[in-house]
Amino acid sequence: DQQVKQNSPSLSVQEGRISILNCDYTNSMFDYFLWYKKYPAEGPTFLISISSIKDKNEDGRFTVFLNKSAKHLSLHIVPSQPGDSAVYFCAASPNFNKFYFGSGTKLNVKP
Amino acid sequence: DGGITQSPKYLFRKEGQNVTLSCEQNLNHDAMYWYRQDPGQGLRLIYYSQIVNDFQKGDIAEGYSVSREKKESFPLTVTSAQKNPTAFYLCASSSGGAIYEQYFGPGTRLTVT
Repeated sequence: DQQVKQNSPSLSVQEGRISILNCDYTNSMFDYFLWYKKYPAEGPTFLISISSIKDKNEDGRFTVFLNKSAKHLSLHIVPSQPGDSAVYFCAASPNFNKFYFGSGTKLNVKP
Repeated sequence: DGGITQSPKYLFRKEGQNVTLSCEQNLNHDAMYWYRQDPGQGLRLIYYSQIVNDFQKGDIAEGYSVSREKKESFPLTVTSAQKNPTAFYLCASSSGGAIYEQYFGPGTRLTVT
């Protein structure tokens, strides 16, 4: 049973607009959350993280929001750029070791 | 440059043969991980190691084996017991502890026919 779900397999956004990628999890013990970006035939690249003691973390154009009561996190990219086109994975863990990954959302930013 | 290397990038094997995938890191990270990715799916954890000479099974360890004799190296052997070995394999490492972000290698695509 998948403990981390990304229900949107794909998302298309116009350049300059906001991209919002969503992620839901089922395990209330998850305390650490990561977002990764992945290009085809390459390893994922770490983007941004958040722990459960916070509800928001920002790094440049990337902001992650965590809603623990809803078991939901989201990644906002503002403004979106064509180079952001990739597959985005969220991951969650109850500790520092074993992370569970979602199935990914393919973002296409149109020029 | 510090990083994680995986070799080879593409690997072809005949069914029934064991094959070992290499993973090396020079980041001085304590923890290392092996994941498998199949089309349309997320990454699934095969094995992980938090320290030299110690490792734990992940969610899909059956048909795989690992060793962690050196901090820098965490090779994965795909044995003939693995029913569906064709996949994209990713190695990752992290500092461990409170610094939990994992850094990934470029991956190895294994095809078994």
